[in-house]
Amino acid sequence: GAVVSQHPSWVICKSGTSVKIECRSLDFQATTMFWYRQFPKQSLMLMATSNEGSKATYEQGVEKDKFLINHASLTLSTLTVTSAHPEDSSFYICSASIGERIDGYTFGSGTRLTVV
Amino acid sequence: RKEVEQDPGPFNVPEGATVAFNCTYSNSASQSFFWYRQDCRKEPKLLMSVYSSGNEDGRFTAQLNRASQYISLLIRDSKLSDSATYLCVVNRGGNDMRFGAGTRLTVKP
Repeated sequence: GAVVSQHPSWVICKSGTSVKIECRSLDFQATTMFWYRQFPKQSLMLMATSNEGSKATYEQGVEKDKFLINHASLTLSTLTVTSAHPEDSSFYICSASIGERIDGYTFGSGTRLTVV
Repeated sequence: RKEVEQDPGPFNVPEGATVAFNCTYSNSASQSFFWYRQDCRKEPKLLMSVYSSGNEDGRFTAQLNRASQYISLLIRDSKLSDSATYLCVVNRGGNDMRFGAGTRLTVKP
């Protein structure tokens, strides 16, 4: 089945630094990848949709200059949290899709970011 | 109002109990529906898709009522390993998935 690898699993960084999270589709080519954020006891919130070779589409309220998304190949998308602040501490999860699918899709294992 | 609403629980039930979760969605154009399971500090994993005719997978039964915009999940003969958060997920089309906040279930011995 489709496997999505995400790393790092967890990261602790200082305020003001940047953190890069990688999401890879291991056994398929993902034309679209999605980035979500989940705060404790809350639902997954879609941050942005990343299409290979084009700019990401950000959801309302998500700062595109703060959360940089790059989807340079069909198997890799990266999310960089720039100038991180403690309020950016959250669980970030990616998922990947093969073209237009209406069935459920697979998630990466998530990255727990703590900004101190 | 949230697009996908679930009772957050927690539901605390004994082993062997039957438990039901409900979910409502507001976008009538939603195309497909799912239940995901999420364990603490882990990614969500697909439990089952939900079809209009209702569908069953072992101890799990899912129902969809499009007219009422309502989805349900029934778990029979609960096991300790069923303890998790259950997410109701609605696909608005074109891979645009919206998640409920989840319902927490704890199955106790």
